[in-house]
Amino acid sequence: TQLLEQSPQFLSIQEGENLTVYCNSSSVFSSLQWYRQEPGEGPVLLVTVVTGGEVKKLKRLTFQFGDARKDSSLHITAAQPGDTGLYLCAAAPRGENSGNTPLVFGKGTRLSVIA
Amino acid sequence: NAGVTQTPKFQVLKTGQSMTLQCAQDMNHEYMSWYRQDPGMGLRLIHYSVGAGITDQGEVPNGYNVSRSTTEDFPLRLLSAAPSQTSVYFCASTSRGEWIIMEKLFFGSGTQLSVL
Repeated sequence: TQLLEQSPQFLSIQEGENLTVYCNSSSVFSSLQWYRQEPGEGPVLLVTVVTGGEVKKLKRLTFQFGDARKDSSLHITAAQPGDTGLYLCAAAPRGENSGNTPLVFGKGTRLSVIA
Repeated sequence: NAGVTQTPKFQVLKTGQSMTLQCAQDMNHEYMSWYRQDPGMGLRLIHYSVGAGITDQGEVPNGYNVSRSTTEDFPLRLLSAAPSQTSVYFCASTSRGEWIIMEKLFFGSGTQLSVL
């Protein structure tokens, strides 16, 4: 069973469209991260969300952490070709010897924005 | 700062050969880890280390060995390569900090390994 379920797995949209991708789990997390990975490179951190219900904005990207700290969403407004990439969510389960618990990643959403 | 450096960038092995993937970081991070990334499977943790002399297994440790003799280096060894180990391998590091709030993981640029 995948700890973090990401949906959709693939998304292809036209430039200028809006989109939302999701990261869901049955577990509660103390915090959650979103990364973006471009071809041939390692993932790069976009944001860390900590508080239930928290909303963070990074230019055209809006990140939300669910009230129950079990899920998160990433909304992109007016997508651009430069947004193309693999979007990964990551979390460490809450309360499990959190000092040494390594991150678990979802399988990612592969986004393609067509000009 | 160079960040996390992985070598080699590409490698082709024959079944049964051994090799070591190198990973070095210059940020004095306590925590280092190795992931493999396969199509449709996301990033899966192989081994990780919370400090020099300490290593632990992740989700998919079989066929891989690690050691952590220094803070800077965390090599990944394939003792007898198998086609199932064909993958892209990423090394990552972070300061340990307060794990209740996740620290930023810094990734290397990856090693693409093919086992024939």
